[in-house]
Amino acid sequence: GAVVSQHPSRVICKSGTSVKIECRSLDFQATTMFWYRQFPKQSLMLMATSNEGSKATYEQGVEKDKFLINHASLTLSTLTVTSAHPEDSSFYICSARNTGTSNSPLHFGNGTRLTVT
Amino acid sequence: AQSVAQPEDQVNVAEGNPLTVKCTYSVSGNPYLFWYVQYPNRGLQFLLKYITGDNLVKGSYGFEAEFNKSQTSFHLKKPSALVSDSALYFCAVRSRSNDYKLSFGAGTTVTVRA
Repeated sequence: GAVVSQHPSRVICKSGTSVKIECRSLDFQATTMFWYRQFPKQSLMLMATSNEGSKATYEQGVEKDKFLINHASLTLSTLTVTSAHPEDSSFYICSARNTGTSNSPLHFGNGTRLTVT
Repeated sequence: AQSVAQPEDQVNVAEGNPLTVKCTYSVSGNPYLFWYVQYPNRGLQFLLKYITGDNLVKGSYGFEAEFNKSQTSFHLKKPSALVSDSALYFCAVRSRSNDYKLSFGAGTTVTVRA
């Protein structure tokens, strides 16, 4: 149980285009999901907290107009990288908290490798 | 503020030998502590957590960790390492009062040689 599906696993796009990444909780409801960015051989950097039915909360230094987050249902959050540039190339990972259980660990997707050419 | 330190970038052990990955934390109040493992180009897999109760926590794949409040540590251990344990390990902490935001350590790469 507690599976988080993240899609796509890899994407290559041209500079200036937008890319959407989906994060789905398959067998539980998640009112809160988190988006992270990970650079090679580095830790995870929290980008934003995605809240179902309300605006996302962004961490300091993260451009909310560039990284659009939508959490339209209890099982789906999307991250759209708008007008992507090569410096946006990174590994993006989502995680979700099972709303129905207290103190449960976060469950992570398998990540999306974004390459902007 | 909350933070995690993993003092070792890399840990190398021979298969069958004990494995220890160190973690110390800083948080206001009582902590929730977690260990996750990451394989190449994959997300994080949950190994174990400390919430309350026994200081020794047992988790997946034979891993365990000991919460030491006085030393603010939560070291991950496995009595007999396997080659398949080779991966990147992250320690994470959050306070009981925040809204589930985790702070991660920098990660420790474990290599188990046959």
